[in-house]
Amino acid sequence: QVQLVQSGAEVKKPGSSVKVSCKASGGTFISYIISWVRQAPGQGLEWMGRIIPIVEETNYAQKFQGRVTITADKSTSTAYMELSSLRSEDTAVYYCARETEEMITTTMAHRYFDLWGRGTLVTVSS
Amino acid sequence: DIQMTQSPSSLSASVGGRVTITCRASQGISNYLAWYQQKPGNVPKLLIYAASTLQSGVPSRFSGSGSGTDFTLTISSLQPEDVATYYCQKYNSALDLTFGPGTKVDIK
Repeated sequence: QVQLVQSGAEVKKPGSSVKVSCKASGGTFISYIISWVRQAPGQGLEWMGRIIPIVEETNYAQKFQGRVTITADKSTSTAYMELSSLRSEDTAVYYCARETEEMITTTMAHRYFDLWGRGTLVTVSS
Repeated sequence: DIQMTQSPSSLSASVGGRVTITCRASQGISNYLAWYQQKPGNVPKLLIYAASTLQSGVPSRFSGSGSGTDFTLTISSLQPEDVATYYCQKYNSALDLTFGPGTKVDIK
């Protein structure tokens, strides 16, 4: 059974960085697209970016450009999301999710998150 | 940027009742829309993509419709296990996967 297993909760100081991991088990990691989505307490879902390990390509939401780095280690089937310059508003649960892409044309696709990790709570507090 | 809105923000319905949630995009997004269900304390779950395609394993009481700017998620017969917050998400641009603000569904 394919699973995405995330690292444990973190408590960080404002201005520091956090790195969350997401290990895929039971599947073919190299063929995945891994996205990161966060959810602040009591709030909605926010897409942060993705990595396509097979081509080592990353895309980031404009809001997080310059502050987030998503990487992948193909040898361990693990994706990472590092967020820097943390502030209190970054307190949230961070999810990794497998993004499935169904190409319609060469440029357009139906894409959806069909497998999610359990989430990692990151608390930013002085 | 295309903004996503949902209405209502919350609703209560009786078991067996019909529930309709609306999602609107500020510009046309064709049928590049997905719906997710998030039960309290749980991880989001994919219900529908391509506006109306039911994900494998999702009960048939869930359905989606719409294209362009207006979309609906319908639960034909609400069950107690459907208590959750429902989110729409657009993906017409691969670089902007914005979620709607969510609709909380309770049992009356």
